[in-house]
Amino acid sequence: GESVGLHLPTLSVQEGDNSIINCAYSNSASDYFIWYKQESGKGPQFIIDIRSNMDKRQGQRVTVLLNKTVKHLSLQIAATQPGDSAVYFCAENRNMRFGAGTRLTVKP
Amino acid sequence: GAGVSQSPSNKVTEKGKDVELRCDPISGHTALYWYRQSLGQGLEFLIYFQGNSAPDKSGLPSDRFSAERTGGSVSTLTIQRTQQEDSAVYLCASSFRSLHEQYFGPGTRLTVT
Repeated sequence: GESVGLHLPTLSVQEGDNSIINCAYSNSASDYFIWYKQESGKGPQFIIDIRSNMDKRQGQRVTVLLNKTVKHLSLQIAATQPGDSAVYFCAENRNMRFGAGTRLTVKP
Repeated sequence: GAGVSQSPSNKVTEKGKDVELRCDPISGHTALYWYRQSLGQGLEFLIYFQGNSAPDKSGLPSDRFSAERTGGSVSTLTIQRTQQEDSAVYLCASSFRSLHEQYFGPGTRLTVT
């Protein structure tokens, strides 16, 4: 069936390094994608979104890349900080399904 | 304005009892979603309301689960005859309309003993 999933369940990076979190989707009709951050004990929080008519969108220290050819999303976090430690989810809003999440741990 | 609120924040119930979980979405948001999250797991979609349209119930795991949204605002998720495997955090989210970012509440932690 259709699914949204993540390649890596865990990612550990050094403070100051850049982080890249990947996500695959299988629904070729998906046209809107969102990245969420979930800190321990809290609900997910919106980070950045991208529509299918774009292949790149930048926010503050975050960039989302969309490759529709291979149905792949990535979230890039520049100069990763300890406060970035969380679980990151991608979602395609056409059917409200979320990937399993990637746990990012930032080492000081 | 206030964000999405959920009540109760924690609920402990005995196996076989019914529970009701409440969600107050952000005012003006037409879309409302319920998810379930088990410890260390991802989000499991349960049900989606959009305006006056029939809800998308495709994620409800069994007929013990049901949800209502009254007046296009507050929603209640009801679990009948709770089982231990129902123990999880139940998250509610709302969005201005579909295909927009979702704002999540803090969740209700349900423990079935």
